[in-house]
Amino acid sequence: GAVVSQHPSWVICKSGTSVKIECRSLDFQATTMFWYRQFPKQSLMLMATSNEGSKATYEQGVEKDKFLINHASLTLSTLTVTSAHPEDSSFYICSAQDRTVGNTIYFGEGSWLTVV
Amino acid sequence: QKEVEQDPGPLSVPEGAIVSLNCTYSNSAFQYFMWYRQYSRKGPELLMYTYSSGNKEDGRFTAQVDKSSKYISLFIRDSQPSDSATYLCAMSATNYKLSFGAGTTVTVRA
Repeated sequence: GAVVSQHPSWVICKSGTSVKIECRSLDFQATTMFWYRQFPKQSLMLMATSNEGSKATYEQGVEKDKFLINHASLTLSTLTVTSAHPEDSSFYICSAQDRTVGNTIYFGEGSWLTVV
Repeated sequence: QKEVEQDPGPLSVPEGAIVSLNCTYSNSAFQYFMWYRQYSRKGPELLMYTYSSGNKEDGRFTAQVDKSSKYISLFIRDSQPSDSATYLCAMSATNYKLSFGAGTTVTVRA
């Protein structure tokens, strides 16, 4: 199946700093990517829908200025957690939609963020 | 009421048994149905993808969708210890924004 790559897999940052997570579709073009957050033993919570070349659509309750999303190309979307705090520590997962295969959605491996 | 209901389990079965998982949903606009497998600390892996009602088989996996009952199922035949994971049902309408079930944790005992 299609591959979606996330980087970094693990990141530790100091409180108050910003961290960027990349999501790449490796063998297909993804006009739409999605960013999720997952807490331990819970299901995925959609944060925002990222559309190539336009502004992301954020879900209710998600701070746009804190979670900056950029989808500059058909294979890359980035999530930047700005001024990170310990409560932002979580598992962040992206997914990408492959419109050539029935709009199937593939997930990345996820990125563990720990803010200390 | 949640849009997608899934029993979180946990579900424990002996090796070789059939694992039966299911989800119910309330949004009649859903027409794309997926099952994902998620190992601990990993991203979800797509197992099955079904459009509208019907059955789909892929190896040891069978997915069923009954839109009239708003009910979907996943069956895993000849289960193996490597099938131990959390299984997430997901579905979407035409905008492809996925709505997930809570996930069912499955353990296959050797």
